[in-house]
Amino acid sequence: GQQVMQIPQYQHVQEGEDFTTYCNSSTTLSNIQWYKQRPGGHPVFLIQLVKSGEVKKQKRLTFQFGEAKKNSSLHITATQTTDVGTYFCAGWDNQGGKLIFGQGTELSVKP
Amino acid sequence: ETGVTQTPRHLVMGMTNKKSLKCEQHLGHNAMYWYKQSAKKPLELMFVYNFKEQTENNSVPSRFSPECPNSSHLFLHLHTLQPEDSALYLCASSQDLRDYTEAFFGQGTRLTVV
Repeated sequence: GQQVMQIPQYQHVQEGEDFTTYCNSSTTLSNIQWYKQRPGGHPVFLIQLVKSGEVKKQKRLTFQFGEAKKNSSLHITATQTTDVGTYFCAGWDNQGGKLIFGQGTELSVKP
Repeated sequence: ETGVTQTPRHLVMGMTNKKSLKCEQHLGHNAMYWYKQSAKKPLELMFVYNFKEQTENNSVPSRFSPECPNSSHLFLHLHTLQPEDSALYLCASSQDLRDYTEAFFGQGTRLTVV
């Protein structure tokens, strides 16, 4: 079945440094979604990318969808302590009608 | 508040107990999901329901039994669990199973099996 791989598993940064997490799928995706889970919380939807090569920004967060629609990245510029949490990418398994999540990247930010 | 409510928030149960987790959504969604999140592991999809019909059972042991009486409610019945079943159980809903819909998660039930 479809697999969504995400790296790195953990990332520790100093406040003010940049952060990037990468997501790769074994198959072409119709879209990619990104979620954030704060410590002790639940995943919350951030954004969805649909078009090949699409780039979307939310303040300091930049999301990209690869040309082949098999990979995606989330980049955070000048991290803040409020960025702490686990970031998940997710893709729809069209054949199964289910949302498949990557393993997540846990971000910690040192003040 | 995401519109998806899970109860209880915390549950401790013995291996011989029977308990149920409840999920309720008031978003008018037609699809509901159970995910398991263990420490250091990704979100594992357990069950999917669409219009009250189960569309996915991701090889989940029979000691977990889902029930979806209507599109707004989803239960997970638990019996004779093992300590390795201790995890955060997350319920989610989406408008339907088409691939452009986002998932809304409940706050989860933290389950400890002793």
